Amino acid sequence: AQTVTQSQPEMSVQEAETVTLSCTYDTSESNYYLFWYKQPPSRQMILVIRQEAYKQQNATENRFSVNFQKAAKSFSLKISDSQLGDTAMYFCAFMMLNRDDKIIFGKGTRLHILP
Amino acid sequence: DAMVIQNPRYQVTQFGKPVTLSCSQTLNHNVMYWYQQKSSQAPKLLFHYYDKDFNNEADTPDNFQSRRPNTSFCFLDIRSPGLGDAAMYLCATMGTGSSNEQFFGPGTRLTVL
Repeated sequence: AQTVTQSQPEMSVQEAETVTLSCTYDTSESNYYLFWYKQPPSRQMILVIRQEAYKQQNATENRFSVNFQKAAKSFSLKISDSQLGDTAMYFCAFMMLNRDDKIIFGKGTRLHILP
Repeated sequence: DAMVIQNPRYQVTQFGKPVTLSCSQTLNHNVMYWYQQKSSQAPKLLFHYYDKDFNNEADTPDNFQSRRPNTSFCFLDIRSPGLGDAAMYLCATMGTGSSNEQFFGPGTRLTVL
């Protein structure tokens, strides 16, 4: 069975700093997607960034980038120049490709950006 | 241009009184999901539809039922809510063959008195 582990329940950083959220996963599959979802306080969950396992290049979306280490089964999220609006719960998630359409979420990391 | 809409946003019910939560989507996605999310926890998948095919999670209580009358709408019925069912209920959709991204609604917060 696939599992997703986020080892940092909560983090705080100063505005404009760079922060890295950790995620590891366990699977015997070779084709899958990895995601980072953001859930701001009292607001809906949105996708931050997505990585296809077959792609070696790390995904980037503006200030958000990932460090995908397939052999190590690691998928960390880096937020550069953090902003107050980045305060949220961040979930790392895994989905097998062309299988049961289900996402497996990690337990989340609560990130506080301090002014 | 709301894409996944959930009604109501807040629902209060009494212990044991049936309640229905609704979800609609404008994305024409064929997969729809219902999640239960308790405070500071990850969403827990209750069930999902691939078109009309219903997929129940093994640990979803029988108290939870779902209906999907057409592509756009999906309902979550809680037959006899208990205090432990108080949670945020999230609906999500996904279009297969695309980006495999799930689009979430804003959620319905259920309170059981």
